[in-house]
Amino acid sequence: AQTVTQSQPEMSVQEAETVTLSCTYDTSESDYYLFWYKQPPSRQMILVIRQEAYKQQNATENRFSVNFQKAAKSFSLKISDSQLGDAAMYFCAYRSGQETSGSRLTFGEGTQLTVNP
Amino acid sequence: DGGITQSPKYLFRKEGQNVTLSCEQNLNHDAMYWYRQDPGQGLRLIYYSQIVNDFQKGDIAEGYSVSREKKESFPLTVTSAQKNPTAFYLCASRRSGGINTEAFFGQGTRLTVV
Repeated sequence: AQTVTQSQPEMSVQEAETVTLSCTYDTSESDYYLFWYKQPPSRQMILVIRQEAYKQQNATENRFSVNFQKAAKSFSLKISDSQLGDAAMYFCAYRSGQETSGSRLTFGEGTQLTVNP
Repeated sequence: DGGITQSPKYLFRKEGQNVTLSCEQNLNHDAMYWYRQDPGQGLRLIYYSQIVNDFQKGDIAEGYSVSREKKESFPLTVTSAQKNPTAFYLCASRRSGGINTEAFFGQGTRLTVV
């Protein structure tokens, strides 16, 4: 079974600074996808960024980028130029590339990010 | 607008009662999921369904039941057998097939046992 671990329950960053959230995972599969979701106080889950395991290039979405280290099974999220609206719970998630597994998401425990003005 | 609707947003239940949480989607998605979220924990999968009239247990299915009679609907019943039902419940859906199909989430239902 796959597991996802986020070792930082809480993180804080100053507005306009950069912060990195850590995530490690364990799997025996070679075909999979990794995600970072944001959950603001409204509790709506919002997809931040996605990485396909077969892609060597790290995904980037505006101020959000990942550092995907496949051999180390590490998938960190970097938020540049942090904004007050980035304050939220962030979840790392794994999904198998095999549809037979139901394409379920396996989540980490989450990291609560605080952005200080 | 397309999306996933969960209702109600807040739900109170007396101990020993069954209660049903609604999840409806108009995205024409084949797969639907129910997750439970507790403080300090990530989302855990309760049940999922990939096609109509079929569903599978997730990691924490005990004390829950589901049905999938229509593609658009995937209601979750929290039974009296669920020992600690107070939690936040999230429903999600996804179009099956393809490599770039992401899951969309509803806004959740907060269930409190009183």
